[in-house]
Parts: sequence; structure tokens; C-alpha cells
Amino acid sequence: EAQVTQNPRYLITVTGKKLTVTCSQNMNHEYMSWYRQDPGLGLRQIYYSMNVEVTDKGDVPEGYKVSRKEKRNFPLILESPSPNQTSLYFCASSQLTSGGAGTGELFFGEGSRLTVL
Amino acid sequence: AQKVTQAQTEISVVEKEDVTLDCVYETRDTTYYLFWYKQPPSGELVFLIRRNSFDEQNEISGRYSWNFQKSTSSFNFTITASQVVDSAVYFCALSSSNTGKLIFGQGTTLQVKP
Repeated sequence: EAQVTQNPRYLITVTGKKLTVTCSQNMNHEYMSWYRQDPGLGLRQIYYSMNVEVTDKGDVPEGYKVSRKEKRNFPLILESPSPNQTSLYFCASSQLTSGGAGTGELFFGEGSRLTVL
Repeated sequence: AQKVTQAQTEISVVEKEDVTLDCVYETRDTTYYLFWYKQPPSGELVFLIRRNSFDEQNEISGRYSWNFQKSTSSFNFTITASQVVDSAVYFCALSSSNTGKLIFGQGTTLQVKP
């Protein structure tokens, strides 16, 4: 089954304790991206990757890191989480289209709800 | 800078009513793509439609239809004869060719009452 898998789905942590949210897709998609969803703000892009070893900042990258060492995986790293990073996080992937990276249908993971105390 | 505005925060209708969700976008690019996604109460995000900037034909899929007008920079979504299962948050999104960036609107929460 084609899917994007995120882990953990739920996490409560404390300020400053490093954490990683994993994301893996089995569709051989080149493009992957992370979003955070907050009430009234919609989905905001954190980082995206057009291919292995190619990553770039979205609109809200502060406090986050990513890596793309393999095509299928795109982990989101919070080196020193703070309460303002409490949010619902989505990973997504899409295949390359004639329009280029990020212009295809996005397949989303189920979301990871993170609470930073 | 790119921007997507969904001015309607919440809409409530009674079943079988038609409802239109507005989406207005801003971009300086000539090639771009517009999308609609649905987020039902269960929380997953589901793709509904993708439209490129060179294709202004309206599209109909069952009870769903989309009206793309470049002249007003709008990409509105209409649900005909709404049903309770249409209750969800709907997001409009914009992507430009080869930038990798995808901008979402704030979302419109649609509640369809029986």
C-alpha cells in the first residue's frame, strides 16, 4: 500500500530535549516536505527536499533541521524544542511532474501531534 | 511573494444546500499550480484537485466543481447538494514551477448540518 509513515504520532516532551520525527514514504517520490498546522494559520511549510541531499527552507524553518540521506526518508529534527513548537506536524511527498518539484499531488502522513512543555 | 487567502473561516449550511468556498491567490509567476485539499474530522489530508495556470477550464467531479479565474486570481470550490460527510476543513494551496515551495491558505471549516 502506498503510504507516508510518520513516527511518533503523539509526543509530549520538555523544553530543550532533542527529538526527531521520522517520515518515510514507499512511493519512490523525489519531493518531500514538512508542514506544521496551527489553528487559524493553516499549513505552513517548514522544510522541503527535491531529492537526496537537496533540502531547502520553507516559510517557518527556525528551530528545525532536516536531512535527506535516502530517497524514502526525511526526518524532522528539533534540536532544542520550545513551547512555541507545540503543533501538529505533517510530512508529505509527491512525484516529480512536468511542472517541477512540489507541483504534484501531495501524499500526506497521518500527522504527529507534538506538545512541548 | 506568494500568498493564498481563504477569507471564510467557517461556513455552516444545512444538508442539500450548495456552498462555495473562496480562494484568492497572489503570485508574480506565470506558471503555477493550484490545489484543494480536504481534512475531515479524522485529521488526514486528502487531495481533491490540481490545476495549472494555463488551464482555465472549470472542472466538475460529481458534486464538486472548481472555478478558476485568472482575471480575479481566484480558484473557488463549489459543493452542490452538500452532505454531512462533506463536513471538513478545506485548504487551497499554491505552488510555482520548480521552486519547491507550496503555500497553503488558512483553511475554511465547513459544517454541514443534517
